[in-house]
Amino acid sequence: AQTVTQSQPEMSVQEAETVTLSCTYDTSESDYYLFWYKQPPSRQMILVIRQEAYKQQNATENRFSVNFQKAAKSFSLKISDSQLGDAAMYFCAYRSRGAQKLVFGQGTRLTINP
Amino acid sequence: GAGVSQSPRYKVTKRGQDVTLRCDPISSHATLYWYQQALGQGPEFLTYFNYEAQPDKSGLPSDRFSAERPEGSISTLTIQRTEQRDSAMYRCASSPGQSNTGELFFGEGSRLTVL
Repeated sequence: AQTVTQSQPEMSVQEAETVTLSCTYDTSESDYYLFWYKQPPSRQMILVIRQEAYKQQNATENRFSVNFQKAAKSFSLKISDSQLGDAAMYFCAYRSRGAQKLVFGQGTRLTINP
Repeated sequence: GAGVSQSPRYKVTKRGQDVTLRCDPISSHATLYWYQQALGQGPEFLTYFNYEAQPDKSGLPSDRFSAERPEGSISTLTIQRTEQRDSAMYRCASSPGQSNTGELFFGEGSRLTVL
């Protein structure tokens, strides 16, 4: 079974600085998706960024980028120029291309210090 | 609808009572998911539907949990004879199905507290 591990329960960063959230996963599949979801307090989870395993190029969405290391099964999220609105729980998630189930990590709580 | 809608947002019940949670997915979405999220944890898969079919209910923790989507749109999750360990956030999500990019669209969740 696939598993997703986020080893940082909490992270904090100064506003305008850069922070990296870690994620590792375990799978025997070769074709899959990886995601980072953001969960603000008392709000729904929203997609931050996604990566398809067959694409070697790291995904980027404005201030958010990933470092996808397929061989190492690592998928970290970098947030540049951190803003107060980035404060949230961040979940890394995995999904096999042929499957429907999304497997989540335990989450990292990100605090932005003004 | 424009987004995934869940009700009730909050439910407090006594141990032993039955509870039904409702999810109204994005109207064009074929696939609907239920997740359970304990406090401080990531969401755990319960079950999913493709229209009215329920191909995978492997995540349902016990036979006290059941889900339906009889007309392929709105879904309900029912927990019978609730126990304190059932206290959690229950999240519904939907996706377009065949043409999907893998992304799930989540509702705001239903927080269940069992006293």
